[in-house]
Formats: sequence, structure tokens, C-alpha cells
Amino acid sequence: DAKTTQPNSMESNEEEPVHLPCNHSTISGTDYIHWYRQLPSQGPEYVIHGLTSNVNNRMASLAIAEDRKSSTLILHRATLRDAAVYYCILRRTSYGQNFVFGPGTRLSVLP
Amino acid sequence: KAGVTQTPRYLIKTRGQQVTLSCSPISGHRSVSWYQQTPGQGLQFLFEYFSETQRNKGNFPGRFSGRQFSNSRSEMNVSTLELGDSALYLCASSSDGQMNTEAFFGQGTRLTVV
Repeated sequence: DAKTTQPNSMESNEEEPVHLPCNHSTISGTDYIHWYRQLPSQGPEYVIHGLTSNVNNRMASLAIAEDRKSSTLILHRATLRDAAVYYCILRRTSYGQNFVFGPGTRLSVLP
Repeated sequence: KAGVTQTPRYLIKTRGQQVTLSCSPISGHRSVSWYQQTPGQGLQFLFEYFSETQRNKGNFPGRFSGRQFSNSRSEMNVSTLELGDSALYLCASSSDGQMNTEAFFGQGTRLTVV
């Protein structure tokens, strides 16, 4: 799987939007962009994924750059429960679940 | 529906012993993968099983092994435990493990080797 680059940490105020960036300059045309988050003392949790178009679900939105070399996870209104480590992952293999996790971004949400 | 269940949640073993961890995937899921999480190395992929066959393998020594049963439940085994094997072991299941499919993680088994 290709490498992704994320900021080590970010901070947000509660009820404000949060934009978590991810750079993936070596992405190939068939790579899916996945986001997972890990809350304290829990396993990672799926957030969202996409290929080329922007995606929305009940948890977040994923904005993918036109050249696909970067993407942004958007939490529309951060809550204290959103404090977690967020991982941006590229899924390259044609089959098989073998995520390559980077260090991720630790998001702190201030009340 | 029930989530991914890992047992036991906590385990303490002595160096040199072996250990077996269990993972029950979500009903209907055929892909189960295992990860090791440590403060120093983060989350690292161990291996993936699909329909009782190992489909992918990470860069871990042969002391780490696994298997999957016909009901998709999976076990991983670590033999000759070392202090450095102390970690949170996570398993994840997905319907088919394809690159556009989401994975569901269990809460993990915290292994401490003393």
C-alpha cells in the first residue's frame, strides 16, 4: 500500500468543523482512500472511504482533490467523542484486507 | 448484529510460553485479519485469512501464526513469547476484504509478557 502523510496532532473546539488533511502523492488510479479512527482503549473504527468523488455519510465527509494526491476528512461539528487518532489509508491490493497504518493524526477536542 | 469479539481481553504470560488468541468475526464475514499495536511501532499488519486460507502475510517472524475455521472464527498463536510481544492484538473482519469494503475491528486482546 502507498504511503500517506498526516499531521501528528490537531486541536479543535467543540461544535466547530474540523478538517483533517492527508497527502498521498504516490496514489495510483485504483487506490481507494480510507479513513479510520481509534478512540482511547478501543479498536479502530471505520469512518469513510472514497475513490475519486467526494463522499458523505452520517459521520463525516471526504473531500478528494482533483488530482487525488490529497484528501481531507471533514467532521462538520466536532464533539468531545470525536477525540481520537485518525488514520488515512490507501487500499492498493486487488484483494485482501491488509491495512498499512501510519502514525495518524491525534485530534483533541476542547470544550 | 453482534460485532467482532476477541477473547480473552487481557492476558499475562511468561517469556518462553505460547499463547492463543481468538477472534469471532461478524456473522457472514469471511475475511479476518490480525494486527499488533505497540506504542513504538503503531499498528502493524500480521496476516489475513479468507475462507480458511491465509491470503496475506505481514513481516513478522514465524513464531506468529494463525488459522481460520470453517465458521470464519480465527485464532492466532504466538510461540516462545518474548518481552517485545507485549502489545494490543486486534482482529478485524470484513465481508470479503476487498479494497472498497469497510473493516470492523474488535476491542483487542491486551497481552503482557513478563
